[in-house]
Amino acid sequence: AQTVTQSQPEMSVQEAETVTLSCTYDTSESDYYLFWYKQPPSRQMILVIRQEAYKQQNATENRFSVNFQKAAKSFSLKISDSQLGDAAMYFCAYRSAEGNEKLTFGTGTRLTIIP
Amino acid sequence: ETGVTQSPTHLIKTRGQQVTLRCSSQSGHNTVSWYQQALGQGPQFIFQYYREEENGRGNFPPRFSGLQFPNYSSELNVNALELDDSALYLCASSSQGTTNSPLHFGNGTRLTVT
Repeated sequence: AQTVTQSQPEMSVQEAETVTLSCTYDTSESDYYLFWYKQPPSRQMILVIRQEAYKQQNATENRFSVNFQKAAKSFSLKISDSQLGDAAMYFCAYRSAEGNEKLTFGTGTRLTIIP
Repeated sequence: ETGVTQSPTHLIKTRGQQVTLRCSSQSGHNTVSWYQQALGQGPQFIFQYYREEENGRGNFPPRFSGLQFPNYSSELNVNALELDDSALYLCASSSQGTTNSPLHFGNGTRLTVT
């Protein structure tokens, strides 16, 4: 079974600064997808960024980028130029490339933005 | 396009009762998944429905059951409620069979069991 570990329960960053959220995972599969989701107080899970395991290039979406280290099974999220609206719970998630679309989530990191 | 909508928003039930939660999938989506998110935890996969059939199930007992309807909307039913069933229940839809179709989540139903 796959597991996802987020070792930082809480993080804080000054507005306009850069912060990195950590995620590690365990799997015996070679093909899979990794995701970062954001959950604001509205409770809706919002997709921030995704990475296909077969792609060596790290995914980037505007101010959000990942550092995907397949051999180390590490998938960190970097948020540049942090904004007040980035404050939320951030969840790392794993999905197998085979079978159904089940997501396995980590326990989350609460990100606080300091004005 | 219409997003994923869940009802009700909040619900309070007594231990031993039964509850039904509802989800309308996003327009064009044919797959619905349900997740349970306990306080301070990440969501846990309950099950997924595709073309009205269960297509994968997580580690949840049989008293958790579901349905998917021809219009791809879905229900989650929980029988014999226990205190530990108190959680946020999230529904997500996607278009299975479409490459790189991401999951779109609703705002969830907050269930409290007393």
